[in-house]
Amino acid sequence: EAEVAQSPRYKITEKSQAVAFWCDPISGHATLYWYRQILGQGPELLVQFQDESVVDDSQLPKDRFSAERLKGVDSTLKIQPAELGDSAMYLCASSFDLDEQFFGPGTRLTVL
Amino acid sequence: AQSVTQPDIHITVSEGASLELRCNYSYGATPYLFWYVQSPGQGLQLLLKYFSGDTLVQGIKGFEAEFKRSQSSFNLRKPSVHWSDAAEYFCAVGPLNYGGSQGNLIFGKGTKLSVKP
Repeated sequence: EAEVAQSPRYKITEKSQAVAFWCDPISGHATLYWYRQILGQGPELLVQFQDESVVDDSQLPKDRFSAERLKGVDSTLKIQPAELGDSAMYLCASSFDLDEQFFGPGTRLTVL
Repeated sequence: AQSVTQPDIHITVSEGASLELRCNYSYGATPYLFWYVQSPGQGLQLLLKYFSGDTLVQGIKGFEAEFKRSQSSFNLRKPSVHWSDAAEYFCAVGPLNYGGSQGNLIFGKGTKLSVKP
């Protein structure tokens, strides 16, 4: 069964360092989403791609966060510099036609 | 503003007992509604979804949900809970222009389900 892949699964970093997360969506899924899930909360959308284009990044803190999906397949989310408040689960999801979103296992980020 | 409310932060039920998890939404039109389940340290898995038609929706793992427009609710139910159902459950609503260029979901804060043996 096809799955969304994410790496790393866990990341510990010190504040002011740079971190990057990678996501490989299900093959053929044109839409890719990055969500942030703070402990005890539901996921919140950071950025949505349609192929290689950003559709919605209104909730992405652009002073420190960046996201790219250069060839319209896999994607990278970067934080530079990381802050204590960035500690969260970062979830990637993909969908074929804006119907069901399939989620990856997430990257658990801890900023010390 | 669009929002999803899950009134119960934590629910404990005995194995074999019935379950109902509540979800209320605030939305400007007929919403697209979803229930996801998340096991500890894992991503989200879709249990069921409602787009239109029959207001009683069947999902995986024996779950069902009923859309009640008059109450702005989409409660999740299961007649007999198994220990493996212990997890966190999230209700979500799709945006107005779902099917257009945007498809992001708005999630509730989740309900954690514990199952007693």
